[in-house]
Amino acid sequence: NAGVTQTPKFQVLKTGQSMTLQCAQDMNHNSMYWYRQDPGMGLRLIYYSASEGTTDKGEVPNGYNVSRLNKREFSLRLESAAPSQTSVYFCANGWGGTDTQYFGPGTRLTVL
Amino acid sequence: GQQVMQIPQYQHVQEGEDFTTYCNSSTTLSNIQWYKQRPGGHPVFLIQLVKSGEVKKQKRLTFQFGEAKKNSSLHITATQTTDVGTYFCAGGTSYGKLTFGQGTILTVHP
Repeated sequence: NAGVTQTPKFQVLKTGQSMTLQCAQDMNHNSMYWYRQDPGMGLRLIYYSASEGTTDKGEVPNGYNVSRLNKREFSLRLESAAPSQTSVYFCANGWGGTDTQYFGPGTRLTVL
Repeated sequence: GQQVMQIPQYQHVQEGEDFTTYCNSSTTLSNIQWYKQRPGGHPVFLIQLVKSGEVKKQKRLTFQFGEAKKNSSLHITATQTTDVGTYFCAGGTSYGKLTFGQGTILTVHP
């Protein structure tokens, strides 16, 4: 079992370009999460999905959209990338609430 | 919003020295979890504490949950180079969510 997978692993964009970060899980967990990690800022929650068909904003949702396509997949879209969105993006899953979260390997995004 | 504060932000130690990182919340937590992220890697779950005053050990790592369930600590005895990385605490808040601290970056000099 792969657990939580993310694609791509690395990406370089120019300002204004759009892209979608993909996340998939084979753990059958209800909840999925998108975080960004910046130096000195820890893990900041962008969006989460408590169950298939639902999504909610986290701490830093501006500039992002998400889609919970089915129980397995949760994608993060940057419609018009900005240099401030240069970061490492982690997808995670879990049973929800205050339960343990399991992280994917991350996507390292650079916006020029 | 509800915050979980973690200190210190950075810690440099010589191999063999002890290391402690602290996690504090202004409100009572339902549980506390600890994660480790190796350099270039992703956070990996280490342990969960649920009870007031709980202490758990994993080899050289000792985890404590405060009596008031508002603070926690992770202590590593006799650090090794394999301990390098970022250690995150995550607290279960009254909103029913898990909130991560900012993390402590540990460097171990051989």
